Amino acid sequence: QAGLTQPPSMSKGLRQTATLTCTGNSNNIGVQGTSWLQHRQGHPPKLLSYTNNNRPSGISERFSASRSGNTASLTIAGLQPDDEADYYCSSWDTSLTARVFGGGTKLTVL
Amino acid sequence: EVQLVESGGGLVQPGGSLRLSCAASGFNFGIYSMNWVRQAPGKGLEWISYITSSSSATYYADSVKGRFTISRDNAKNSVYLQMNSLRAEDTAVYFCARADVDHWGQGTLVTVFS
Repeated sequence: QAGLTQPPSMSKGLRQTATLTCTGNSNNIGVQGTSWLQHRQGHPPKLLSYTNNNRPSGISERFSASRSGNTASLTIAGLQPDDEADYYCSSWDTSLTARVFGGGTKLTVL
Repeated sequence: EVQLVESGGGLVQPGGSLRLSCAASGFNFGIYSMNWVRQAPGKGLEWISYITSSSSATYYADSVKGRFTISRDNAKNSVYLQMNSLRAEDTAVYFCARADVDHWGQGTLVTVFS
């Protein structure tokens, strides 16, 4: 099953801003909400944003999401060492009747 | 507080079976759909199955269709994954996740080895 496309890695400096992208199509991101998840080694994934730009309670305002057409983006401002993790996007695909994930972006904070 | 706790993982030989359980608490389980998602060693997250709140519909990834079965018992606040005809490539940490993957359990490890 086709998934969403994310760059495999990104490196940014401390206190810089990172923008992660996630490309899908008109059956998923284009028509459904996109969730963004942070996954640190040894921990379960944590939801950062849902339905394009809603933050769950307790998630820092440094994390913001947006969508343009079939591409979703997650922006992390003021990078901290703790932000080093794998980031996944996910959406429901109405054609596949399946949830699809991106391959994940490994973010390194220098 | 929403809690999801998976159990039932372990070592199994190819062709064998396992049944995973996910016990939910801290929310009205009966009105939420549920998912199973896995992560193979060194790989990303892979969605494998979904069940609606009333069990009226179930969906599967092509990689497990015909071998895995998702079910739930709302009286027991639990969702299950029956895994048959297991293969080496099913080796992974299996997570249950609520609805739009807003809450996740800690995961349970399934290792298929010969």
